[in-house]
Order: sequence, then structure tokens, then C-alpha cells
Amino acid sequence: DTEVTQTPKHLVMGMTNKKSLKCEQHMGHRAMYWYKQKAKKPPELMFVYSYEKLSINESVPSRFSPECPNSSLLNLHLHALQPEDSALYLCASSPGDDRRETQYFGPGTRLLVL
Amino acid sequence: AQSVTQLDSHVSVSEGTPVLLRCNYSSSYSPSLFWYVQHPNKGLQLLLKYTSAATLVKGINGFEAEFKKSETSFHLTKPSAHMSDAAEYFCVVSASFGGTSYGKLTFGQGTILTVHP
Repeated sequence: DTEVTQTPKHLVMGMTNKKSLKCEQHMGHRAMYWYKQKAKKPPELMFVYSYEKLSINESVPSRFSPECPNSSLLNLHLHALQPEDSALYLCASSPGDDRRETQYFGPGTRLLVL
Repeated sequence: AQSVTQLDSHVSVSEGTPVLLRCNYSSSYSPSLFWYVQHPNKGLQLLLKYTSAATLVKGINGFEAEFKKSETSFHLTKPSAHMSDAAEYFCVVSASFGGTSYGKLTFGQGTILTVHP
């Protein structure tokens, strides 16, 4: 199984809502990532989890809260988002956290904040 | 620090003709280089990867890329384009994150490939 799955595929939320994005992989990978991709732009790194611990936070606003309950699962909790947070949110995983490792991406969750 | 420049934002070819997508990189370290493809409303799929082994790297779907250190280039080619190749392509360099060994991907701005019948 070489797949990273993400749910939901689409999400519409208001600025006062709380929602969560879910990412799952069963490849035994020990590093997982959240990226944000705006339209017509490349992905931008948000968070890196390595061995279930938050390793990198790229100065992401606190309205985004990541969580890694176990080595296969990565969540992104959303609260009080702004319309400019509308984007495709991509999850990725890699066997380890070394720079030479390939990152495998999920299909993404397309988020619209009204 | 590392950076990636994709020299063309759009490339248009006819089906059956060669594809060339150009990428130049800058990296303070020996880089790992990747090409990813993104079809509309989809995630990113790895096409191929260079990590200091053979300089000519073969990938999926007939794509290949050549690492040229002297030119700091990693251009993507395919001998004969297919309609299903129409997508956006990202050249990516991975280098150490700060003083750690953590991989940080730096993406180029992307090249949209259009394939005409």
C-alpha cells in the first residue's frame, strides 16, 4: 500500500466553525507533513512531524493546530479561519525525515472558508 | 539556502512530439532533486528522483531527467507526449532544514504542460 489518504475531499466552513482534516498512511512512514497550496502556486510547508513529535512549524497561525495521535495518522484542527485560508491542504509522508527521502502526497482537501 | 527556477511557466506541445521542461536549482549542499506532477484538482505524484547516484534518472510514464552539476540544471524530458501528460509539473529540491537533517522541499513555481491533439 503506497497511498496517503485524506478526508474530507472538500470542506466548506464559516469563520466561526471548528473542523478537522484527517490524513492517514499505512506505509510505516515515520515523518508526516502538512502543506498549503493556493491556486496557481506551489505547495508551502506548514508542519513536519517526525516520529510523532512536532519537529517543524513554519510560523503557522495558531488557528491551525496539528495533531499526530499515532504514527499512521495526522490531523489538522481548524478554528476561526479567515477567507484567505481557503486553499488545497496536502498531507505527505516519508519513510524518515532525512532530506533525501521521497515525500508521498495525498490527494488533498480543498477548503473554502466563507 | 536552496532555490529552484522553472524557466517556463507554460509549455505547449503536440501529441507525439518531445517534451522539455527546464529547471535550474541552487543549493548549498549536495541536493536531492525531484520532479512531481499534479493533475487538475489532484495531489502531487512523484515522477522521478535524483540523489547522487546516476546522473540520468528514469521515471514513470516515459519521463527522464538529467542532473548536470556544472549547469545546475535538472531538465525533464519525454520523447513523445501523450494527451494524458497534460498537467502541472514541479521541480523540487530537498536540502537540510537549518542545522538539522530534516528534509525541506523547495518547490519551483511550476510549469503547465498543454498537449494538443
